[in-house]
Amino acid sequence: AQSVTQLGSHVSVSEGALVLLRCNYSSSVPPYLFWYVQYPNQGLQLLLKYTSAATLVKGINGFEAEFKKSETSFHLTKPSAHMSDAAEYFCAVRGETSGSRLTFGEGTQLTVNP
Amino acid sequence: DADVTQTPRNRITKTGKRIMLECSQTKGHDRMYWYRQDPGLGLRLIYYSFDVKDINKGEISDGYSVSRQAQAKFSLSLESAIPNQTALYFCATSDRGQGGDNEQFFGPGTRLTVL
Repeated sequence: AQSVTQLGSHVSVSEGALVLLRCNYSSSVPPYLFWYVQYPNQGLQLLLKYTSAATLVKGINGFEAEFKKSETSFHLTKPSAHMSDAAEYFCAVRGETSGSRLTFGEGTQLTVNP
Repeated sequence: DADVTQTPRNRITKTGKRIMLECSQTKGHDRMYWYRQDPGLGLRLIYYSFDVKDINKGEISDGYSVSRQAQAKFSLSLESAIPNQTALYFCATSDRGQGGDNEQFFGPGTRLTVL
């Protein structure tokens, strides 16, 4: 079984500041890891995914995440926050086959202050 | 046009009523999913279907049923709605690929309120 924990249900940053959203996973098999973003009144959109090809994964809108097996982490970062980054972010984990379930974390609401 | 559509987008109903939420997709994907989202709980899987004849329960299927009418359509029913089924419901799709890295594509959601 796999699970994810997102540390911090709300994160607030100033425009231009570093964004760091934390995600730790638990998995008995090599995991596939995902970050999704949900803008207000919209469905979820894939930001990036880890598939073991590279530990540093670059996604859309300037986001990236680093897979650290020793820390069982997959934190999401962006060097400089933009007002349009305000949204809810979900980390998710999945086992090695497409038949395994995608398990989501609780979500982190990101607020960007002017 | 959106690839994954959900109807209705908003619904208010009363306890005990039967409700159907519908999902349609034009992505040609075999696999479809229903999730519910509650504040602080993330998304939880209700049911999923890997093809028209394959339907599986997720982690919170009690009180729900589904119907896969065609490859492109997957409906979620609440036979007798109760207030704790008030939530945001999402449909998602993915293709058949073998690996666990398959992306799921989400609809815009249906906000259901049960009074």
